[in-house]
Order: sequence, then structure tokens, then C-alpha cells
Amino acid sequence: QVQLQESGPGLVKPSQTLSLTCTVSGGSINSGSYYCNWIRQPAGKGLEWIGRMYNSENTNYNPSLRSRVTMSADTSKNQLSLNLMSVTAADTAVYYCTYHAGPVDQYMDVWGKGTTVTVSS
Amino acid sequence: DIQMTQSPSSLSASVGDRVTITCRAGQSISTFLNWYQQKPGKAPKLLIYAASSLQSGVPSRFSGSGSGTDFTLTISSLQPEDFATYFCQQSYTTPVTFGQGTKLEIK
Repeated sequence: QVQLQESGPGLVKPSQTLSLTCTVSGGSINSGSYYCNWIRQPAGKGLEWIGRMYNSENTNYNPSLRSRVTMSADTSKNQLSLNLMSVTAADTAVYYCTYHAGPVDQYMDVWGKGTTVTVSS
Repeated sequence: DIQMTQSPSSLSASVGDRVTITCRAGQSISTFLNWYQQKPGKAPKLLIYAASSLQSGVPSRFSGSGSGTDFTLTISSLQPEDFATYFCQQSYTTPVTFGQGTKLEIK
């Protein structure tokens, strides 16, 4: 059974880069088709799709964040990473990674517990 | 972007009630529609995928229907553990988009 664990600094200063890692256990990102999405949720608000990485080399980003986002995979560590540049208070949220194994990114069946990121000086 | 609109935004109901939540897409998304349940402080949990397929381990009192632009999530007999917020999500195209959520509260 695949499990995900997000990690990263809980506090980031404005204008800096937010860097998060999603560690995948019970499954491999080194083979087969998979999709890893990053989702965020400001406190008390809805869910926003940040983007996705699939098959360790392909990415799609939300146009609203595209200029600031990069995603990557480290297959040797079974980890996926999210970098969000030039953060502001509006980027304060719980950040989730999700995982789906399969040829089509049809749904998000595995979620990490989420990690809270606060942007503040 | 495909806008997803849920109704109602909040709903009060009693244990044993039948509840229906609606999700409308801004354009046709075939059956690329998923439903999630989220409890406070927890990650969302997949309930229904492809509009009407029940995720493994999800109780059969949950069901989904619809295609094109109009979809529904039905809980046939509310249980205490069902009080939560529900989100729909389209996976037809990127950017993936979610409904704003429906908060189901105890009456």
C-alpha cells in the first residue's frame, strides 16, 4: 500500500522559495506509470491544484502558478519535490501530495497527511 | 479553466437522512468527475471516481451519478462519521479544478 509523507520547513520568509518533498513508500516512482499531484489548501478554504509530475520526467502546472513552480523527482530516493519561488502570504496553506498509479491521471486515491507552510517574516 | 460549482455550500441533516450534493461543471467533462470527503485536520479521501465508481473500502451508502456537466453525490442514510466537507473534482483536463466544497453538518 502506497503511503506519502510531505516534509519541509513550516515557515518561509516572503520572497523566498518554498521547497517541499514528498516521500513515497510502498510504491516506486522508478518504474511504471504514476501521477503525483501537489494540492494546497489555505486555512478554511478550498483545494487548489498546483501541478503534477508523472513518470518522473513530465510535468503540468497550474497556469496561475506556472511562472513560480517547478517539480522534480529523485528516483533514487523515491521522492518528489515542489519548489515555489517568490512566496507571499497568499501562499500560506496546507500542502498535500497525492499519488495515482496507472496510465491515466483520473483520480487521486492516495494522499499524504499534508504539511503546513506559513509565509511570514 | 473548467469551473466546478457545488450546491449547496452547506447543509444540515440528521443521522439516517438521505442527502444529495450537486456538482456542475462549466463545460462537458464526460464522466471525469471525482468526489472526496474531508474531515477537519485531515487530508481529503477519495469516495467516488469516474462519476459513479465506488472507491474500494468506501461504504455502499455513498453513490455518485451524472455525466456531461451535472453530477450528484448521494448518501443514502447518513451516519455520524459522514459529517464532513465534500469536494468534487474534474480530471478531464488540466488545470485540475475542484468545487468549493459542501459542508455537511449535524442538524
